Amino acid sequence: GAGVSQSPRYKVAKRGQDVALRCDPISGHVSLFWYQQALGQGPEFLTYFQNEAQLDKSGLPSDRFFAERPEGSVSTLKIQRTQQEDSAVYLCASSLAGRIGGETQYFGPGTRLLVL
Amino acid sequence: GESVGLHLPTLSVQEGDNSIINCAYSNSASDYFIWYKQESGKGPQFIIDIRSNMDKRQGQRVTVLLNKTVKHLSLQIAATQPGDSAVYFCAEKWDGAGNMLTFGGGTRLMVKP
Repeated sequence: GAGVSQSPRYKVAKRGQDVALRCDPISGHVSLFWYQQALGQGPEFLTYFQNEAQLDKSGLPSDRFFAERPEGSVSTLKIQRTQQEDSAVYLCASSLAGRIGGETQYFGPGTRLLVL
Repeated sequence: GESVGLHLPTLSVQEGDNSIINCAYSNSASDYFIWYKQESGKGPQFIIDIRSNMDKRQGQRVTVLLNKTVKHLSLQIAATQPGDSAVYFCAEKWDGAGNMLTFGGGTRLMVKP
C-alpha cells in the first residue's frame, strides 16, 4: 500500500531563500511528525500534529521554522531565510494515533536540503 | 549517494551469522521502544517494537530484548543477509514527552558475503 511520501526529494537553496517541504501521510493516519536528521546522526524531533492541531512544536530550532497541517492530512514544513546550518534531511512520519496500538511511526523517504 | 552515519559504531558480520545490535536508552520512564533500519538515501524503516511491560518480542528473523533494570535494548537478527546491511536506530517514547520518539545514535551493520 501507499506509504508516507515527501516532496521534493532534494532541494538546493541559496542562503536567505525560503523553502517549503511537503509531506503526504499514510491515509487515515491521525498523527504526523517532522524530524530533522543531520549527517551521521539519528533523527531529532521538530514538531507533531494530531489531525490539524499542532500539539507540540518544542523541537523547532528557531522562529524561522513553521509547520502547518490545515486540513488534517497533508503537512508543509516551511523554513524562512535559510541558513547553512539548516542543511539536513527532513523526515516526515505518520501514525494511526498516539495511543497504545497506534504508536508505530512510519517514515517517508525524506527531503534532503542543502543550503549554499 | 548520500551516506548515513559516516562515523557510527560498526558491526561487521559474516553472511549467515546472527547479529546483535545494542542500544542504551536514556529514560527509565520510557514505555515504548522501536527499532528502525535506514539504508543510504532512504527514510527509517520500521523493524519491530516492544512495550515496557514486555521483555522480549519476536518477529520474522528478528528479536528485540528489553532489560529495564539497566535500560538496555537489543536487536537480534538471525541468519544475517547482505540485504540487512544498513544503519540501525533504536528509539524510545515516554508519555511525559508526548508522542515524539527520541533516537539513539545508530549502529552500522555490514554483512560480508
